[in-house]
Amino acid sequence: DTEVTQTPKHLVMGMTNKKSLKCEQHMGHRAMYWYKQKAKKPPELMFVYSYEKLSINESVPSRFSPECPNSSLLNLHLHALQPEDSALYLCASSRAGLRGPGELFFGEGSRLTVL
Amino acid sequence: DQQVKQNSPSLSVQEGRISILNCDYTNSMFDYFLWYKKYPAEGPTFLISISSIKDKNEDGRFTVFLNKSAKHLSLHIVPSQPGDSAVYFCAASAGGADGLTFGKGTHLIIQP
Repeated sequence: DTEVTQTPKHLVMGMTNKKSLKCEQHMGHRAMYWYKQKAKKPPELMFVYSYEKLSINESVPSRFSPECPNSSLLNLHLHALQPEDSALYLCASSRAGLRGPGELFFGEGSRLTVL
Repeated sequence: DQQVKQNSPSLSVQEGRISILNCDYTNSMFDYFLWYKKYPAEGPTFLISISSIKDKNEDGRFTVFLNKSAKHLSLHIVPSQPGDSAVYFCAASAGGADGLTFGKGTHLIIQP
């Protein structure tokens, strides 16, 4: 069982809907990440939170809005998405530090379909 | 431009033989490399890593080799087992709190 929990596992939404993806970890990690993965492509980094502060935003459209309420939780708010945003959204966490993120622990992902 | 390249989309190996998965990188700032394994409908799971100060790291059936001058790393699995059939991603980090940069993955198929 993964120690990073993502909900929901599957989400279908229309282009006018507002929804959220949630991620939780209880490993005491201080860095959390959102990755987007489309079929037959590598995971692509969207956001990095380090010590609950957004440290990296890889020029992701504003229809994706991350939120880190505390060090254990990471949300991704979705609004006015497009069909091309349909993908597997992966949350990950790591200890973080000056030497790099080290091992990332991934959740099972949230499969998003935008109609 | 891809900074981490896995040029073989798929690889088929007989059970019991050695599987060798390759990865090349272009960013000389990368100093930590990881391999992840991914089954369908699951998130990637960590397999093995190597720091740039080493050229080999071994963990059971899995060994990762790093050739810094060639900017190349490889994952050896021996002996290969049916449960090893999965997509394997090579990933690299340049330090700090950045996330990892992933290659496109290699689909390893272990034939009985």
